[in-house]
Amino acid sequence: EIVLTQSPGTLSLSPGERASLSCRASQSVSNKYLAWYQQKPGQAPRLLIYGISNRATGIPDRFSGSGSGTDFTLTISRLEPEDFAVYYCQQYDGSSYTFGQGTKLEIK
Amino acid sequence: EVQLVESGGGLVQPGGSLRLSCAASGFTLGSFWIHWVRQASGKGLEWVSRINSDGTTITYADSVKGRFTISRDNAKNTGYLQMHSLRVEDTAVYYCARDPRDGYSHYDYWGQGTLVTVSS
Repeated sequence: EIVLTQSPGTLSLSPGERASLSCRASQSVSNKYLAWYQQKPGQAPRLLIYGISNRATGIPDRFSGSGSGTDFTLTISRLEPEDFAVYYCQQYDGSSYTFGQGTKLEIK
Repeated sequence: EVQLVESGGGLVQPGGSLRLSCAASGFTLGSFWIHWVRQASGKGLEWVSRINSDGTTITYADSVKGRFTISRDNAKNTGYLQMHSLRVEDTAVYYCARDPRDGYSHYDYWGQGTLVTVSS
């Protein structure tokens, strides 16, 4: 089973700043099978990015995904107040699915 | 409007059973894989199980294998998760999510979740 480790655990930034969230895999992940989700308190997760770098429908272009192999990054170019939430990466290795433990993006 | 609505959660004693349902509307569920993902209070997301479009391919997380059974009824546009031998550690919000199987692996729509509490 591939383990995903997200860093940092908590990221404190101000609106307008740039955020970079890391997701590191214990083994190489297929380009097609890495996604990112945003979750706000009391809500279900929302798909942001799939296939490493494809934005989901309706996701603003300030969100972007990049990476390959074992290292992946979610970047939010200019933080808006509604972007402060918990972010999860997720992978599929052909037999099972795993999520990272999450990065909490909080207002500084 | 695409919607997934879970139901069937509640309070159950250790060793008990529950059946969760995931009702789809606004689209044909039979064209998608269904996944169940759970989240204990204050914790991260844990994938539980998946079922393909026609129910012939099913996979479980090791933590629930042999105790949970995933199924679907495409005629009713509904998916299910039958849970037996429940443990305290199964306490969580259970989400169903659809996987469009568009060459990638991701969940483009999620339900609002249903809370399962296992306690004596």
